Amino acid sequence: KAGVTQTPRYLIKTRGQQVTLSCSPISGHRSVSWYQQTPGQGLQFLFEYFSETQRNKGNFPGRFSGRQFSNSRSEMNVSTLELGDSALYLCASREPGPYNSPLHFGNGTRLTVT
Amino acid sequence: SQQGEEDPQALSIQEGENATMNCSYKTSINNLQWYRQNSGRGLVHLILIRSNEREKHSGRLRVTLDTSKKSSSLLITASRAADTASYFCATGNTGGFKTIFGAGTRLFVKA
Repeated sequence: KAGVTQTPRYLIKTRGQQVTLSCSPISGHRSVSWYQQTPGQGLQFLFEYFSETQRNKGNFPGRFSGRQFSNSRSEMNVSTLELGDSALYLCASREPGPYNSPLHFGNGTRLTVT
Repeated sequence: SQQGEEDPQALSIQEGENATMNCSYKTSINNLQWYRQNSGRGLVHLILIRSNEREKHSGRLRVTLDTSKKSSSLLITASRAADTASYFCATGNTGGFKTIFGAGTRLFVKA
């Protein structure tokens, strides 16, 4: 099975712009979670989608949004980019099963905001 | 605030030595997981221990869980240079699907 695929791998944007990141989960995985990783804050949970519905949300401003499509692929969008949004954005899909089953991560999108 | 906190923040050992990392958490859990991350890449799931288990082994990995102290430890035996990575513990919110990660331990294994 192919792993979790994130595109693009690297992205450079300017303050004030918006960005869309894409994630394709492992085939058969219906849950997709997004995380922001920075040296100062570590791994922060953004949101989790299941069957096209946001099921959980972290403590991020409304500039961060996401969605999931019927084929389980997910996108996250960040509007009005700030310098502090520079981070590695990781997507993970979850094995079918009871709560908190293991996550399978993609290699992330490295976003740099200048 | 993060659910899990690892200790130490960084650990440097020689190849062949054992490495022990600790994790503490705050609320009740259904399971606790450990992940590894090589620099700049995604995390890889290593092992899951359920709340009713006290110890679990997988190859050179040994995980213990003490729910009364809300703590877990990860032991890597006979470490190798390839074990150099960051290690994270992770827990889920009760009855949910929100997995929260600790700050991680950076392990350096010198050849």
